[in-house]
Amino acid sequence: NAGVTQTPKFQVLKTGQSMTLQCAQDMNHEYMSWYRQDPGMGLRLIHYSVGAGITDQGEVPNGYNVSRSTTEDFPLRLLSAAPSQTSVYFCASSPEIGGGYGYTFGSGTRLTVV
Amino acid sequence: EDQVTQSPEALRLQEGESSSLNCSYTVSGLRGLFWYRQDPGKGPEFLFTLYSAGEEKEKERLKATLTKKESFLHITAPKPEDSATYLCAARGGYNYGGSQGNLIFGKGTKLSVKP
Repeated sequence: NAGVTQTPKFQVLKTGQSMTLQCAQDMNHEYMSWYRQDPGMGLRLIHYSVGAGITDQGEVPNGYNVSRSTTEDFPLRLLSAAPSQTSVYFCASSPEIGGGYGYTFGSGTRLTVV
Repeated sequence: EDQVTQSPEALRLQEGESSSLNCSYTVSGLRGLFWYRQDPGKGPEFLFTLYSAGEEKEKERLKATLTKKESFLHITAPKPEDSATYLCAARGGYNYGGSQGNLIFGKGTKLSVKP
């Protein structure tokens, strides 16, 4: 099925561990982004990319790295996990950053840092 | 600072009881106002995009409207399957130090419709 695929769906990390959240889309979308969703905070933008090789920071980038080597994939790396990074992470894609296209979201990764 | 505020935080309705959800925004150079539906444990699902004041869009029991400062999501004769969290998002201009054209989301309104 066409769409945005996120893996894993659930993850528990210990403080200080590193990991990569995977995101892949098969719609040839140029724009991809990562959001985190916390209770009472809404969706907040972490990093985004407007095409392969181009990334930029969003509202809450600290503690996270991204790269975009292909159009399809946009992994999010946690360098040294902290309890404050416990959240639900969503990857989204769109044909372009501008215009009226709604984002297509993945089903999310629920991360717990202990 | 670009900002999107939704109200109420939660809304409980009886089946068939129509109501409206509010989304107020302060965004430089609005380039689109978006509504999404989010079910528990799932990612947001796109509903509508509105561009200019006076514009309206409809889908089944939902109708979205836009003014220069607010958007409303009207729900007519809701059913239990309309229960979800409804998210509003705005896209501003590509202004340095701002959202750079990314979507800014409100915190959502959790709608519960009882049979």
